Amino acid sequence: EAGVVQSPRYKIIEKKQPVAFWCNPISGHNTLYWYRQNLGQGPELLIRYENEEAVDDSQLPKDRFSAERLKGVDSTLKIQPAELGDSAVYLCASSFRLAGLTDTQYFGPGTRLTVL
Amino acid sequence: GQQLNQSPQSMFIQEGEDVSMNCTSSSIFNTWLWYKQDPGEGPVLLIALYKAGELTSNGRLTAQFGITRKDSFLNISASIPSDVGIYFCAGGTASGSRLTFGEGTQLTVNP
Repeated sequence: EAGVVQSPRYKIIEKKQPVAFWCNPISGHNTLYWYRQNLGQGPELLIRYENEEAVDDSQLPKDRFSAERLKGVDSTLKIQPAELGDSAVYLCASSFRLAGLTDTQYFGPGTRLTVL
Repeated sequence: GQQLNQSPQSMFIQEGEDVSMNCTSSSIFNTWLWYKQDPGEGPVLLIALYKAGELTSNGRLTAQFGITRKDSFLNISASIPSDVGIYFCAGGTASGSRLTFGEGTQLTVNP
């Protein structure tokens, strides 16, 4: 079974430019997560989708970050405009979650973003 | 927000040695998960714990869900070079399905 797929794996951009990341979750998983991982730290949740609905976006910096999960499968995360402090690894994870239960999340390889 | 204290931050051991790492929190979690992350990759799930007091093994790995639900430990027995990497604990709550991650333990195994 294929795991979580993310692209691109690496991205280098100049500040103030836009950037987008793509994620394809594990087939059949209804829940999708975007995390940001700064160097030397654990991942921090940005947004969680259940099917196509964003159910937890409280930690997403909405002034410059946006995300969508059309049709409840693939998802994109966008930053516009990027700032120097956005340099990090952006991880996508997916799970099959039943209401009221904690699910097991499976992570993709991540996109390493460098903002110059 | 919730905080997880993971220790030690780094460990340098000889091949064949056992290693132990742990996570503590001031908050209660319903789930404890342990992940391993290799350079340039995403975290890979090692062990998931769903019940207080639960002790679970996966090969040379053993993890326990603390009885107070505020801590967990991971043991690796007879370490080998491929155990090198960063180990993360993560606590989960049933209500929101949000995972809180520790800051990781960097493990180095000298052959």
